[in-house]
Amino acid sequence: TQLLEQSPQFLSIQEGENLTVYCNSSSVFSSLQWYRQEPGEGPVLLVTVVTGGEVKKLKRLTFQFGDARKDSSLHITAAQPGDTGLYLCAGLARYQFYFGTGTSLTVIP
Amino acid sequence: GAVVSQHPSRVICKSGTSVKIECRSLDFQATTMFWYRQFPKQSLMLMATSNEGSKATYEQGVEKDKFLINHASLTLSTLTVTSAHPEDSSFYICSAIDGTGVVAGYTFGSGTRLTVV
Repeated sequence: TQLLEQSPQFLSIQEGENLTVYCNSSSVFSSLQWYRQEPGEGPVLLVTVVTGGEVKKLKRLTFQFGDARKDSSLHITAAQPGDTGLYLCAGLARYQFYFGTGTSLTVIP
Repeated sequence: GAVVSQHPSRVICKSGTSVKIECRSLDFQATTMFWYRQFPKQSLMLMATSNEGSKATYEQGVEKDKFLINHASLTLSTLTVTSAHPEDSSFYICSAIDGTGVVAGYTFGSGTRLTVV
């Protein structure tokens, strides 16, 4: 059962634009992670958030965990072509990670 | 950091044959390994969870007799797709965690592209 819904599913933007990806659920998670995956490769961990309301920054990427630990967002500032990929959120519940539906991002030079 | 090696990266097989995919943890002991299936531009769907020395736990809808999983050691898990059919064509990815890796996250293999012709 898919517990995490990501939006948008697909996103195509121009280089330099900002964007936000959302990861929503009705379930509470102990922690939440964001991954980026390039075609033909496995997902690569970007960040782990654990505390409700937590905000983490990774260069141009800002991650936020919802106060109730049911949702999260990923904001990218001044997107670059190298940001292109599939972004996946994954929540930890009952000792298992559940992956979101995914957001495919294309940044056009 | 932790590294998971998956082999082969690509495989093409004839319908009706079996294919084995290996997943190895190179610098840590993987108490638990996970196998996922992924369709293009879609998320990962968990197929099964395997713990070293015990039977794998399969997700609902995954045929355990078709997707045989063996986790014989703390560094190796294998997925065998038996009597493969074209609908089994997909991207298969493994991941592994050690005994303390739950919060830190999974380490993923680079995936195996299976094409059944």
